[in-house]
Amino acid sequence: AQSVAQPEDQVNVAEGNPLTVKCTYSVSGNPYLFWYVQYPNRGLQFLLKYITGDNLVKGSYGFEAEFNKSQTSFHLKKPSALVSDSALYFCAVRDGKLIFGTGTRLQVFP
Amino acid sequence: KAGVTQTPRYLIKTRGQQVTLSCSPISGHRSVSWYQQTPGQGLQFLFEYFSETQRNKGNFPGRFSGRQFSNSRSEMNVSTLELGDSALYLCASSPGLTSGSADTQYFGPGTRLTVL
Repeated sequence: AQSVAQPEDQVNVAEGNPLTVKCTYSVSGNPYLFWYVQYPNRGLQFLLKYITGDNLVKGSYGFEAEFNKSQTSFHLKKPSALVSDSALYFCAVRDGKLIFGTGTRLQVFP
Repeated sequence: KAGVTQTPRYLIKTRGQQVTLSCSPISGHRSVSWYQQTPGQGLQFLFEYFSETQRNKGNFPGRFSGRQFSNSRSEMNVSTLELGDSALYLCASSPGLTSGSADTQYFGPGTRLTVL
C-alpha cells in the first residue's frame, strides 16, 4: 500500500533562516508526490508536486522540494522563512485518491 | 477562474439527524473528491466522482454517500449522524481525465460539521 510519513509533528524556525519539513514515502511504482499547506480555518492549498523529471521541484510562495529516490524522501524546503509561513503542512501521495501524512506544524518566530 | 466552493461553511446538527453538503468544482473540472479531516484520524478519503459516477471509495460506512450532477457539482450526505462525524469535510476538484493520474486536486475551504 502507498503511504507517506511525516516524522516531525512540529518544526520551529526563526524568520530568515532556511526551513525543512520532512516527508518519506513508501510506494510501488512511480510516485506522484504532493505538498499542501493549510492555514487556520481554511482548506488545503497546493504548493507543488513531483511526477517525474528533475529531482528539485519549485512551487508556490518560494517553496521547493527535493525528491530523493534512494532515501525515499520528498522534503519541503525554503531558503528564508517568513512568519506568514506558519501553518500546517501535509505531504501526500496520489494513488487515485490522495493519501496524506499526519501533518507538520511549522512555527516561524520573528 | 473561481476556486472550489463549498456550502455551507458551518453546520451544527444533533445525533440521528442527516446532513447534505455541497461542492462546486473549478470550471472545467470533472472529478470531485471528498475528504474528512479530524484531529484523531487526520485526512481520510471518502469518495471520488467523475462524470456522475463514483470512481473510487474509501473505508467509510454506508451512512456516508454522495452524488454528482451533470454540471459536475457534487453533494455528500451523512445519515444518522454520530458524535464522531464531527469534522471538517473537504471537497477537491481536478480535471480527472484518468483515474490514478497525477493531475492536481484543488481544495475548497471545507464545511465544518459539529454533531451535538
